[in-house]
Amino acid sequence: GENVEQHPSTLSVQEGDSAVIKCTYSDSASNYFPWYKQELGKGPQLIIDIRSNVGEKKDQRIAVTLNKTAKHFSLHITETQPEDSAVYFCAAGYGNNRLAFGKGNQVVVIP
Amino acid sequence: EPEVTQTPSHQVTQMGQEVILRCVPISNHLYFYWYRQILGQKVEFLVSFYNNEISEKSEIFDDQFSVERPDGSNFTLKIRSTKLEDSAMYFCASSQDSLNEKLFFGSGTQLSVL
Repeated sequence: GENVEQHPSTLSVQEGDSAVIKCTYSDSASNYFPWYKQELGKGPQLIIDIRSNVGEKKDQRIAVTLNKTAKHFSLHITETQPEDSAVYFCAAGYGNNRLAFGKGNQVVVIP
Repeated sequence: EPEVTQTPSHQVTQMGQEVILRCVPISNHLYFYWYRQILGQKVEFLVSFYNNEISEKSEIFDDQFSVERPDGSNFTLKIRSTKLEDSAMYFCASSQDSLNEKLFFGSGTQLSVL
């Protein structure tokens, strides 16, 4: 089955700087790559997703890039703010909604 | 904004007891899921449910687990005889359709088996 690896496990950035989280996946059949943000006491919330027919997608301060050849995708957060502090999960799937998740990345934005 | 709600938020049970975790998916969604996260590990897929039957299940979802949509709004996960290793955060999720692929998660039920 699909295996998703996510790194680094923890990332600290100064407010206003950019944060980048990288994930790799194993199954070349995967064609859907969502990113979830989880705040304390809440469930994962979808923040952005990308499909395999697209190389990049942007939504305000967040963007995701996908390299199908290398089987990796990244989340980019620009101009980080304290409210961006959370655990971020990447995932991969292929049309049946059975998502394989990465282990999560704790992002800490230092004011 | 519509959301998936889960109850209870915390459940403590003795090993061997049955537990039922409850979820109310978003009202116009047709696909329902259970995922779980054991402390320090990845979020894992358990089961997907559509049109009153299981669409897909993982190897984790053995005979001790069952799901049900007892009425038009609730979606439940039952563990018949809990084991210590069932201790985890259980997340319910729903999606509008399978092609949409946008899963909306509830806040989870933390299950502790003693």
